[in-house]
Amino acid sequence: EDQVTQSPEALRLQEGESSSLNCSYTVSGLRGLFWYRQDPGKGPEFLFTLYSAGEEKEKERLKATLTKKESFLHITAPKPEDSATYLCAVQANSGAGSYQLTFGKGTKLSVIP
Amino acid sequence: DSGVTQTPKHLITATGQRVTLRCSPRSGDLSVYWYQQSLDQGLQFLIQYYNGEERAKGNILERFSAQQFPDLHSELNLSSLELGDSALYFCASSVEPGYNEQFFGPGTRLTVL
Repeated sequence: EDQVTQSPEALRLQEGESSSLNCSYTVSGLRGLFWYRQDPGKGPEFLFTLYSAGEEKEKERLKATLTKKESFLHITAPKPEDSATYLCAVQANSGAGSYQLTFGKGTKLSVIP
Repeated sequence: DSGVTQTPKHLITATGQRVTLRCSPRSGDLSVYWYQQSLDQGLQFLIQYYNGEERAKGNILERFSAQQFPDLHSELNLSSLELGDSALYFCASSVEPGYNEQFFGPGTRLTVL
């Protein structure tokens, strides 16, 4: 069974204080690892897809990296508007065209001005 | 705005009742996914449709059913509702085949009293 564990559950940062969020996964053949941002009461917003170990992707203050067992979401000099819950999800090579995502429970990030 | 629409935004009903949630995918997307998000379980995959056909099932209860229509919109039917069914229900869509990113709608908040 595919499993995704995110840590920490919650993170409070001062504005400008860089940090990293962790996503550990167990999957039978990784097709892709996804990062989403979710604001309260809203749908998840797609951020990144990573396909293979060593891959990195960047968007503004966010950088996602992938190893064979985990992924990191690095946040550089965060701003209050980066406050949200960040979700990690994996997609397995299950065959038959099934592309369901298995999500972690998320890291709730609060950036204090 | 992801381009995925869901109606209604909020739904309040009583135990034992039946409700229908509606989702319209992004223009051009053939695959629709339904997810349930509760406080303790996080985002859980329910069911996937591709071009009108059921493709994969997750932990979907027998009281729940879904379908995708020829115009590609999808409906999730929840019957014999229980208090524990109260949750946010999200629809996501993606282009098939070969595209893995799923784009989420704004969700329907279901409250069962």
